[in-house]
Amino acid sequence: GENVEQHPSTLSVQEGDSAVIKCTYSDSASNYFPWYKQELGKRPQLIIDIRSNVGEKKDQRIAVTLNKTAKHFSLHITETQPEDSAVYFCAASKGRNTGNQFYFGTGTSLTVIP
Amino acid sequence: DTAVSQTPKYLVTQMGNDKSIKCEQNLGHDTMYWYKQDSKKFLKIMFSYNNKELIINETVPNRFSPKSPDKAHLNLHINSLELGDSAVYFCATRSSYEQYFGPGTRLTVT
Repeated sequence: GENVEQHPSTLSVQEGDSAVIKCTYSDSASNYFPWYKQELGKRPQLIIDIRSNVGEKKDQRIAVTLNKTAKHFSLHITETQPEDSAVYFCAASKGRNTGNQFYFGTGTSLTVIP
Repeated sequence: DTAVSQTPKYLVTQMGNDKSIKCEQNLGHDTMYWYKQDSKKFLKIMFSYNNKELIINETVPNRFSPKSPDKAHLNLHINSLELGDSAVYFCATRSSYEQYFGPGTRLTVT
């Protein structure tokens, strides 16, 4: 089965700096890679995703890159703000067939210091 | 309208009791999941239902049983609750790619 590893487990950055979270996966058949943000006491919410036919995707201050050959993908947050503080999860899945499950990383607790 | 809803939001009960958590979605998605999130924040998948058929059953105790009366609902029944069952339980649905989580149910077993 799929195995997703996520690093680092905790990350502290100064406001305005960039933050990078990295994930690796093992199953080359995985083709959908979402990132979720979970604020304290709230549900995980999808913030950005990427499919295997794309190498990079950007949405304002957040971007995701995918290297299929190396089987790793990363989340980049630029110009961090205190409201970016949360736990971030990466995941891998085989899309299209809705029965396929998601395999989650172990989460990164991001703290943005004002 | 809330796309994925769960009831109750909080559930406090004693060991040995039987309880249920309800999940409802109005997105028309065919696939629904139950996840358990423990104190370390790990998201562990418990069950997956696709068109009312159980298609994934991870190695969870058989005290846990999903019940889907219709496509819009996936309820979680837990028998003989144990201290280790204390966690936040999330229901989720899936379109062809994206997954949407419910607000979670915090279960505390005393």
